[in-house]
This record gives sequence, structure tokens and C-alpha cells, in this order.
Amino acid sequence: DTGVSQNPRHKITKRGQNVTFRCDPISEHNRLYWYRQTLGQGPEFLTYFQNEAQLEKSRLLSDRFSAERPKGSFSTLEIQRTEQGDSAMYLCASSPVGTNTGELFFGEGSRLTVL
Amino acid sequence: GESVGLHLPTLSVQEGDNSIINCAYSNSASDYFIWYKQESGKGPQFIIDIRSNMDKRQGQRVTVLLNKTVKHLSLQIAATQPGDSAVYFCAESDMRFGAGTRLTVKP
Repeated sequence: DTGVSQNPRHKITKRGQNVTFRCDPISEHNRLYWYRQTLGQGPEFLTYFQNEAQLEKSRLLSDRFSAERPKGSFSTLEIQRTEQGDSAMYLCASSPVGTNTGELFFGEGSRLTVL
Repeated sequence: GESVGLHLPTLSVQEGDNSIINCAYSNSASDYFIWYKQESGKGPQFIIDIRSNMDKRQGQRVTVLLNKTVKHLSLQIAATQPGDSAVYFCAESDMRFGAGTRLTVKP
């Protein structure tokens, strides 16, 4: 399967703990996006990378959130000192540069539950 | 699109009928608009897009209409099937998503 892969698929943690999610985009896709989605809502943009450069961050991304893409391939999203309000599905998507459509290819998501 | 809080707009149609899903967008400078379908437990999946210099685009069983005057986008699904049941989102070229519409197809 050469689609976008996210791990872990599910994470249950206690409030105050740190969690890290990993995203492996489609090979050769330069752009990588992170979104957060809560029940009944559309995906909320968090941040995006072009290769290893983080080009945009949403105001939703508090200082407890950090994303990296050190080698321009996989990316990690870390949430420090988790809060119950962080419970959501975290979606990763990738796309190639130069596409005319802007189509994003999404992974299946990583669901976070903070107790 | 506007947020509607915890309750998604819903559309229920009979199998075989046509469906029309609407979206209001905010950025008049968007270069293109995209419709995604999201089934339960899965990530969104691309359906069709339209560039801002077009007002209509057709795909297989789907048509997207763009009205820039009122910043409105619609997705028409012909001969709706049970497999079309999902949440549908519009997105702008800045990759921001609308709130979505839940489509339920009754057999």
C-alpha cells in the first residue's frame, strides 16, 4: 500500500502526558499537512510543510503542539501536557508540488483520547 | 464555510434520486475549490475540483457548480446510491475545509 500511513491509529492517554503521532506521506509528495477533526466538524488546518520547511502554522497550534519533518519525508506531531480538549482525530495529508488540482491524499488518521 | 457547531447539516435522499450539497466559501481570492467525501472512520477522499475561472465541471455522476457572485459552491450527485452515504466537505485552495454535510441515502 503506497498511501499515506499514520501511526498509531488510536492513542489513549492521561491528561498531562505527552503523545507523538507519525505520518508517512506518499513517496515523492513534497507537501505534508496536519489537520485536527472533532466529531461533527470539518478538518481544521494545523500546519503544513513543503519538504522539510514548515511554511504555515495555524493559530490553533498552541505552544504545546510541535510538528517536524526533519528529512522532508515522514513527519511527527507532538502534543505536550495533553488536555481533554485535545481529544480528536489527527489527520495527515500529502500532495505533490505542481499539481493543478490541489488534491490532498489523506491517511486514516490517529485518534487521540485524553482521559 | 460557516461552522454549524456540533450538528452537521444533513441531507436524506431516496436511492436513485439526485442530491445537491451546498457550501458557502469565504475567500474570494481562492484559485480553486475541492469537494471531499469522508466515510465513517476514514480520512477525506477527493471527489472533484473546480478552478475559479470555471462555473461548472462534470465528473462521473457528479457535477460541481461555482457561483462567485454569492461565493457559493454546490455538488450534485446523480442517481444517488447507498455507497454515496458519507459526509461531504468543500475546501478552498488554502486547504481550509467547510463544516460538511452528512448525506444519507435511503434504499
